[in-house]
Amino acid sequence: SQQGEEDPQALSIQEGENATMNCSYKTSINNLQWYRQNSGRGLVHLILIRSNEREKHSGRLRVTLDTSKKSSSLLITASRAADTASYFCATLTGGGNKLTFGTGTQLKVEL
Amino acid sequence: DAMVIQNPRYQVTQFGKPVTLSCSQTLNHNVMYWYQQKSSQAPKLLFHYYDKDFNNEADTPDNFQSRRPNTSFCFLDIRSPGLGDAAMYLCATSREGAGKDIQYFGAGTRLSVL
Repeated sequence: SQQGEEDPQALSIQEGENATMNCSYKTSINNLQWYRQNSGRGLVHLILIRSNEREKHSGRLRVTLDTSKKSSSLLITASRAADTASYFCATLTGGGNKLTFGTGTQLKVEL
Repeated sequence: DAMVIQNPRYQVTQFGKPVTLSCSQTLNHNVMYWYQQKSSQAPKLLFHYYDKDFNNEADTPDNFQSRRPNTSFCFLDIRSPGLGDAAMYLCATSREGAGKDIQYFGAGTRLSVL
């Protein structure tokens, strides 16, 4: 079964607004990562949060992690048209290198 | 710039005709991965190499094979493509040590099966 489920599936906002995406997972994790994918391209790593961390910032990105609820959120502040992309959470479990990706949120930022 | 390069970007093959997708990396990473991503879905791991050790996912069809002749190159072979194999194929790498959990992706190869 899929490790990560994201909501919403699609999100459309105006430039300058904030965008929030949520990710839920099912089993214990070592860390949770967020990746971005522009249409028809590969994924780009955005941010990693470890299981013992609750919040992390990187530029306009803010990620929270609630291990008791097995959920994470990604906030993009002051969105830009260039932020239009699909955003995936991915979890790393156990001692290996395997990431399990969520279903993704398609973000559209309109001018 | 160091990167993960996939060739070709677009590949068209015929039903049942073997096809090979290639991936190269200049990052000198130990681990290389192949993912299959169908439209509007999450990337699904097919297999990965840890150095020369091949690790197949349990649900990866036998139709999919991989080769890693050296650190820099990794190939995905689809022996008899079916219509259901049309997808984006993503190659990724990661390293050991600090930052080992982050994966670096190529731009992908979009495979069409006619």
